[in-house]
Amino acid sequence: KQEVTQIPAALSVPEGENLVLNCSFTDSAIYNLQWFRQDPGKGLTSLLLIQSSQREQTSGRLNASLDKSSGRSTLYIAASQPGDSATYLCAVKRGGKLIFGQGTELSVKP
Amino acid sequence: GAVVSQHPSRVICKSGTSVKIECRSLDFQATTMFWYRQFPKQSLMLMATSNEGSKATYEQGVEKDKFLINHASLTLSTLTVTSAHPEDSSFYICSAEGASTDTQYFGPGTRLTVL
Repeated sequence: KQEVTQIPAALSVPEGENLVLNCSFTDSAIYNLQWFRQDPGKGLTSLLLIQSSQREQTSGRLNASLDKSSGRSTLYIAASQPGDSATYLCAVKRGGKLIFGQGTELSVKP
Repeated sequence: GAVVSQHPSRVICKSGTSVKIECRSLDFQATTMFWYRQFPKQSLMLMATSNEGSKATYEQGVEKDKFLINHASLTLSTLTVTSAHPEDSSFYICSAEGASTDTQYFGPGTRLTVL
């Protein structure tokens, strides 16, 4: 059974810091991996999608990497801003379904 | 990007009543729709997968008679929580996937509170 774990559960950083969020999964047979952002009481916004054959994807200040063999992905956020405060979820796609981690709640202090 | 809407955004109902939540893909045809449930501070748990014109496939532990899912068209799926109880109170999120993409687009969610 595929399990997805995110560390840390919560993170608080001062504005301007670079930070890394971690995601690990137990079964490397995935179709793709996706990082999402969720604001309180809202739905999900897709940030980056990495296909199983890819190693990384970049969008603006965000960079996501994927190491399928070790079952790990990281989301790197450069020069964090208070507007980045949200919960970040990673999800792996397998068998047509998304399996989500518990999320990392990020707070960026001005 | 593709847009998925949900209605209502929040609903409060009395115990024992039924509540219907709509999920619509606004600018693409959704061959597959997914329904998730999220408890506070927890992750999304897949409840069921529905394909247009077919019966939904429910995840283990999800009562199909309690959570009725209908996917009657390529742009609309509905989730009906029958005889709702306080323990059904949760945040319900749908997502939609088109035939030509492997990306799920998520709706804004529906907050259900059962008194």
